[in-house]
Amino acid sequence: EPEVTQTPSHQVTQMGQEVILRCVPISNHLYFYWYRQILGQKVEFLVSFYNNEISEKSEIFDDQFSVERPDGSNFTLKIRSTKLEDSAMYFCASTLGTSGETQYFGPGTRLLVL
Amino acid sequence: AQSVTQLGSHVSVSEGALVLLRCNYSSSVPPYLFWYVQYPNQGLQLLLKYTSAATLVKGINGFEAEFKKSETSFHLTKPSAHMSDAAEYFCAVSPYSSASKIIFGSGTRLSIRP
Repeated sequence: EPEVTQTPSHQVTQMGQEVILRCVPISNHLYFYWYRQILGQKVEFLVSFYNNEISEKSEIFDDQFSVERPDGSNFTLKIRSTKLEDSAMYFCASTLGTSGETQYFGPGTRLLVL
Repeated sequence: AQSVTQLGSHVSVSEGALVLLRCNYSSSVPPYLFWYVQYPNQGLQLLLKYTSAATLVKGINGFEAEFKKSETSFHLTKPSAHMSDAAEYFCAVSPYSSASKIIFGSGTRLSIRP
C-alpha cells in the first residue's frame, strides 16, 4: 500500500540553525500539508500546498517557515532560524483531493532544538 | 470557526469493557469528520471517517462512530476493549472538503486496565 514517507525520523539542531524536513507524498496525490505536534499537545495545521503554491497557512507559519516541492516527488519544510519552541513532531500529509478522499499522514520527524 | 471538542483528556476502561470516546464538532457546513489514533512514539493512523454517506461509520480494529447532526456529535465506540487499544485518540474535522486542512481536537488518552 502506498504511504507517505518522511526523513529524517529524528533531528537535533542548535537554536538559530536552519533545518529542512523532507517528505515524499503518495505519488498521484495533488495536495500536500505540514502539521506539527508539540509534545503533549494536539496536532496543529501549518500549511497546505497545491499546484506549486501555498493554498492556506496558519498563524504559526511565519516568515521563518517555507515550503517547496523541488521536484516531482519531494515536499520540504524549511525552518530558517530555529527557536527552542520549534521543538515538535512534524507530520507531512497528502491527499488526492477528490470528494471523500483521506489525508494520509507520514510517520513524522521529531525535531529537537537545543 | 470550525472546531472539535473532545470530552475527557483521559479515559480508563477495563479489558473487555465498552470504549466510548466523546467528540462534539462545531461547523457551519456539513463537515468531514475523522478519528485518528496515535500509538506511543508513532504517527497518525486513520481509524474511520464520515463523509456524509452513512451516519454509522465502521473503522479498523472494531471501532465505529455515529454522526448525529442534532447533537453535533461524532462519538467513537468499541464494544470490547483490548489491551492493544491503549493509545491517544484524536477527533478531527475538515470543514469544506477532503482537501481542506484538518483541525484536530486535543486528544483523549485511552488506558486499558487488565
